[in-house]
Amino acid sequence: DTAVSQTPKYLVTQMGNDKSIKCEQNLGHDTMYWYKQDSKKFLKIMFSYNNKELIINETVPNRFSPKSPDKAHLNLHINSLELGDSAVYFCASSQGLAGYNEQFFGPGTRLTVL
Amino acid sequence: GDSVTQMEGPVTLSEEAFLTINCTYTATGYPSLFWYVQYPGEGLQLLLKATKADDKGSNKGFEATYRKETTSFHLEKGSVQVSDSAVYFCALSDRNKFYFGSGTKLNVKP
Repeated sequence: DTAVSQTPKYLVTQMGNDKSIKCEQNLGHDTMYWYKQDSKKFLKIMFSYNNKELIINETVPNRFSPKSPDKAHLNLHINSLELGDSAVYFCASSQGLAGYNEQFFGPGTRLTVL
Repeated sequence: GDSVTQMEGPVTLSEEAFLTINCTYTATGYPSLFWYVQYPGEGLQLLLKATKADDKGSNKGFEATYRKETTSFHLEKGSVQVSDSAVYFCALSDRNKFYFGSGTKLNVKP
């Protein structure tokens, strides 16, 4: 069984469109994250939710809006897509905050904005 | 602010060679330190961790020691295999924030 799953795996879209990426974890964890990995493999945290509450919100354009309908899901909606949004987006989860506990990562969603 | 700096890659080694990937950090508190590995086309997986100074994390033949005096957490393996080819990320967690290094790609040739 896949622990952290993301859909879609690949997403190709035009500038200006709105798109969503979904994430689900079946590990029973209470904390979920979104990361962005650029073309140079640099990985940066975007958001973190603990028990459906937003606890980390890094400097990310407000075109990005996370939504956590329950502890097992954390979706990422992006409005008015720009070329610079092209990247691989990873979802992750942990039990408790990641300071001491292992994060489990999904396989990533490669977003290409044309 | 907190940050992680790791050596740039790619690092290319022959099978059975000794591996060192350098990682240094800057933190205002008392961070936990991690190494994650990313195999091609996959998400990151925790390789090892250390939560306080002088701790040694180890897994699958890899080791790293938390050195507070040199603010370092270098990754080592005595004999690499082709299957170790991947991107390795050093990371720290401090006060619930997580910071990753830029990743070091390792290529191991038969």
